[in-house]
Amino acid sequence: DTGVSQNPRHKITKRGQNVTFRCDPISEHNRLYWYRQTLGQGPEFLTYFQNEAQLEKSRLLSDRFSAERPKGSFSTLEIQRTEQGDSAMYLCASSLGVGGKNIQYFGAGTRLSVL
Amino acid sequence: DQQVKQNSPSLSVQEGRISILNCDYTNSMFDYFLWYKKYPAEGPTFLISISSIKDKNEDGRFTVFLNKSAKHLSLHIVPSQPGDSAVYFCASFTGNQFYFGTGTSLTVIP
Repeated sequence: DTGVSQNPRHKITKRGQNVTFRCDPISEHNRLYWYRQTLGQGPEFLTYFQNEAQLEKSRLLSDRFSAERPKGSFSTLEIQRTEQGDSAMYLCASSLGVGGKNIQYFGAGTRLSVL
Repeated sequence: DQQVKQNSPSLSVQEGRISILNCDYTNSMFDYFLWYKKYPAEGPTFLISISSIKDKNEDGRFTVFLNKSAKHLSLHIVPSQPGDSAVYFCASFTGNQFYFGTGTSLTVIP
């Protein structure tokens, strides 16, 4: 399977715990994106990387959210001190980032439930 | 800031008929638009796109129309098939910001 891979698919945690999600992009893609999606809404952009550089992070929801892409390959999204409002689907996407087309290919997402 | 809007949460169409999904945007800096389709338990899948230098792009049964003056785009599916039943999102980006609409759930009735 050469698509975008996200792990875990489901995560249940207690309020106040830290969680980390992993995203493996399509191998030749140099751009990687994180989104959050809640019920009845579209994907909400959080942050993105070009190679290992995080080019945009102003839309991260709070300072409890952070993302890394240390070697320009896989990425992790961490949420510290989780709150019930963090319960959502977290989507990762990757793209070639060539020219203006910027077609993003999405993984199946990680569903987070905060109890 | 809902810069991309899909005002119809749902749409039902008979198999074989045309489905028209609409999207409005507010940011005049958007110059490339995409439509994604999403099935339950899967991530969104790219469907078709259009550049602002065009007013129409066609790919098989799918055609996207762009009206820049009205800041409106639409996706036409003809003929509609039961397998087209999914949630459809329009999306755009400017600079380092990316925006998706809230989606329209299409049901194609056999």
